[in-house]
Amino acid sequence: SQTIHQWPATLVQPVGSPLSLECTVEGTSNPNLYWYRQAAGRGLQLLFYSVGIGQISSEVPQNLSASRPQDRQFILSSKKLLLSDSGFYLCAWEQGTYEQYFGPGTRLTVT
Amino acid sequence: SQQGEEDPQALSIQEGENATMNCSYKTSINNLQWYRQNSGRGLVHLILIRSNEREKHSGRLRVTLDTSKKSSSLLITASRAADTASYFCATDAYTGGFKTIFGAGTRLFVKA
Repeated sequence: SQTIHQWPATLVQPVGSPLSLECTVEGTSNPNLYWYRQAAGRGLQLLFYSVGIGQISSEVPQNLSASRPQDRQFILSSKKLLLSDSGFYLCAWEQGTYEQYFGPGTRLTVT
Repeated sequence: SQQGEEDPQALSIQEGENATMNCSYKTSINNLQWYRQNSGRGLVHLILIRSNEREKHSGRLRVTLDTSKKSSSLLITASRAADTASYFCATDAYTGGFKTIFGAGTRLFVKA
């Protein structure tokens, strides 16, 4: 069966510090991968999606970036965090059926 | 602007009652999905309804789709306290690679 992991679960970082969030998927090959951000009590904002290794599409201009160094690994990064980067970050995978399967999320607080 | 918008934003009912949530969208879709999110957790897929379908059932869930009105509804029958969660509708959009656009969600609270 397929599983999706995200870490860390929570993170508190000062403004201006770097960020690296990791997402890995097990039990499937060549999935479509997604990074979302969710503000408190709000819906999901699509940040990046990837249809294959090294293929990243950005949905919202910002100081975040994403990479997919391996088929089942998706990384969200920033060189310098802003206060507005605080939120709940969710990774998801999907494989041609439109149904997305989400990880447990990372709660990021930028102080 | 958002593709999917849920209504109401929040709903509070007694256990055993039915809960109805609505979703409206703006552009043509291939399908519409409903997801559930418990507080502080990831989303869980509930049901997908295709644009050529009008109604779909899954256990206590009933989803309808009216493409002429660009709207969908999610009905949870005989609600339980464990149904307390946020519910999101999501629609697909093609922009050089399929992606799903989520609404802001309905927060459902079921009182025991």
